[in-house]
Amino acid sequence: SAVISQKPSRDICQRGTSLTIQCQVDSQVTMMFWYRQQPGQSLTLIATANQGSEATYESGFVIDKFPISRPNLTFSTLTVSNMSPEDSSIYLCSVGGVEGYEQYFGPGTRLTVT
Amino acid sequence: KNQVEQSPQSLIILEGKNCTLQCNYTVSPFSNLRWYKQDTGRGPVSLTIMTFSENTKSNGRYTATLDADTKQSSLHITASQLSDSASYICVVIQSPMNYGGSQGNLIFGKGTKLSVKP
Repeated sequence: SAVISQKPSRDICQRGTSLTIQCQVDSQVTMMFWYRQQPGQSLTLIATANQGSEATYESGFVIDKFPISRPNLTFSTLTVSNMSPEDSSIYLCSVGGVEGYEQYFGPGTRLTVT
Repeated sequence: KNQVEQSPQSLIILEGKNCTLQCNYTVSPFSNLRWYKQDTGRGPVSLTIMTFSENTKSNGRYTATLDADTKQSSLHITASQLSDSASYICVVIQSPMNYGGSQGNLIFGKGTKLSVKP
């Protein structure tokens, strides 16, 4: 299993500012994943954070808006840049388990943009 | 189009009662199907993972079924407790497993919000 922590747990930010969300895993993992969960919606994969290389972004998400860092095998950050109210969501960090079958999520960061 | 549809959208039941949540999908090719429980303000937690060949899988009071022919799954909760109040999310993973890395291509339903009342 994997235990994932995220910081901050929630934040209220002003339009036009940026917020960096941290994700810490209690074990080394090859890949870490960032998801967004908008109110009343499904989880949507933003990007895959690769250690030692650039993140891989899903369609509709770009690096300028959601820059990601992955300095080591247990840590990643997601920045939400130049925020607008449409960015108000829960942002979740996730890792895949051994053999890729189990998936673990962090507790999420609830972001409100005013 | 790959989709996962869950019903009902929300459900209110009395403590001690049973309930069944539905998940229909059009994902192809199919790898596996998962049910997650998401408490308010928390990340999803895995309840069951079912592969193509599995029809039923239980985890305590939770029993998931899968009919790969009709592309339907259900999650049955027995003797509900107040702590069962949460959103239940159905996720279907599309083959190949190595899409986008170790997680495969995950397609999430919107979830069913269950409220258990005393």
